[in-house]
Amino acid sequence: GAVVSQHPSRVICKSGTSVKIECRSLDFQATTMFWYRQFPKQSLMLMATSNEGSKATYEQGVEKDKFLINHASLTLSTLTVTSAHPEDSSFYICSVVSGGTYNEQFFGPGTRLTVL
Amino acid sequence: GENVEQHPSTLSVQEGDSAVIKCTYSDSASNYFPWYKQELGKRPQLIIDIRSNVGEKKDQRIAVTLNKTAKHFSLHITETQPEDSAVYFCAVRGSGGSNYKLTFGKGTLLTVNP
Repeated sequence: GAVVSQHPSRVICKSGTSVKIECRSLDFQATTMFWYRQFPKQSLMLMATSNEGSKATYEQGVEKDKFLINHASLTLSTLTVTSAHPEDSSFYICSVVSGGTYNEQFFGPGTRLTVL
Repeated sequence: GENVEQHPSTLSVQEGDSAVIKCTYSDSASNYFPWYKQELGKRPQLIIDIRSNVGEKKDQRIAVTLNKTAKHFSLHITETQPEDSAVYFCAVRGSGGSNYKLTFGKGTLLTVNP
């Protein structure tokens, strides 16, 4: 499957600051990446679809001005959590749609964000 | 939109026993059904998947069955081992215009007791 990395793996920040998370597809050129948020003991919640060279598509209820997504190349998508607050603390995971038989999704290792 | 129900939410089995997790979905046009295993603090890992034109798929101790008429699919793990302990998520992908989006079930915490 596709090899996906995320950076950083863990970040702690003060309330009001912005945090940027990078998602890289290491062995595959991905035109589509997804960003998910996962709270403890809960399922994956899709936040947005990141499309290379175009604007991201956000799910209902996700503020696009708060969660900025940039997919500037076929191997990199970034998620910036602007003016983070404690309620934004979560596990953020990206995924890549591979070019395999079923267009499978493979996930990055995730970023644990803690906002104090 | 798609609605995915997953049961049970927790499952505890003895090592060597079988485990079955079931998911139902609402959109009859859905055509791709993957299962993911997620260990604590780690990424979800794709363990098996099936397309709508196939009724069953097996990979060693893991199998998935699909009943399109009833709109449900199940994960079967045989000869369970302690390292199978994890949270398992089913997912569903619709057809046409969904841009590969997956809808996930709420997950099943599987505990395999030695």
